[in-house]
Amino acid sequence: DTAVSQTPKYLVTQMGNDKSIKCEQNLGHDTMYWYKQDSKKFLKIMFSYNNKELIINETVPNRFSPKSPDKAHLNLHINSLELGDSAVYFCASSQGLAEIGTGELFFGEGSRLTVL
Amino acid sequence: SQQGEEDPQALSIQEGENATMNCSYKTSINNLQWYRQNSGRGLVHLILIRSNEREKHSGRLRVTLDTSKKSSSLLITASRAADTASYFCATDAEGGSEKLVFGKGTKLTVNP
Repeated sequence: DTAVSQTPKYLVTQMGNDKSIKCEQNLGHDTMYWYKQDSKKFLKIMFSYNNKELIINETVPNRFSPKSPDKAHLNLHINSLELGDSAVYFCASSQGLAEIGTGELFFGEGSRLTVL
Repeated sequence: SQQGEEDPQALSIQEGENATMNCSYKTSINNLQWYRQNSGRGLVHLILIRSNEREKHSGRLRVTLDTSKKSSSLLITASRAADTASYFCATDAEGGSEKLVFGKGTKLTVNP
């Protein structure tokens, strides 16, 4: 069984469209994340949820809206897609605040978004 | 910025050789982690070293941490072609923010 699964794996769409990426983890973790990896492989955190509560919201356009229906799911909805949104989006989960610091992250395989 | 910086950006070696990658960061940390990313895949956790640790081993991996220099190194011994991947260091800020900040990665190529 895949620990962190995200769908779709590939997404090609036109500018201005709205799209969603879904993520599910079966690890029983409390915390889930969305990261964006650009064409230069730079990985930047976008959002983090702990037990369905938003705890990290980096400087991300409000066209991006995460939703966590329960602690095993974290979806990402993007409105009015722009060319610059093209990237690979990774979902990840962790057990939450370790005794000291953030513990190991488990990543999904990524969703490659191409905006034309 | 807390962001780590890996060095070198790219490294090409022959199978059997050792590979050393370095990471520098800017702020005090709770722990530092190393991840591997194969082409087209997600990141996989390799090793975590806490701020009060200086060295850690896991199989062919050896990680060192020097908090006075704000740097870490990842050594892969007796490299194999299957080690070809990008390697990232990640840090979380002291005080616990539940936010891992990743460096830009080192692309390692191990030639058979």
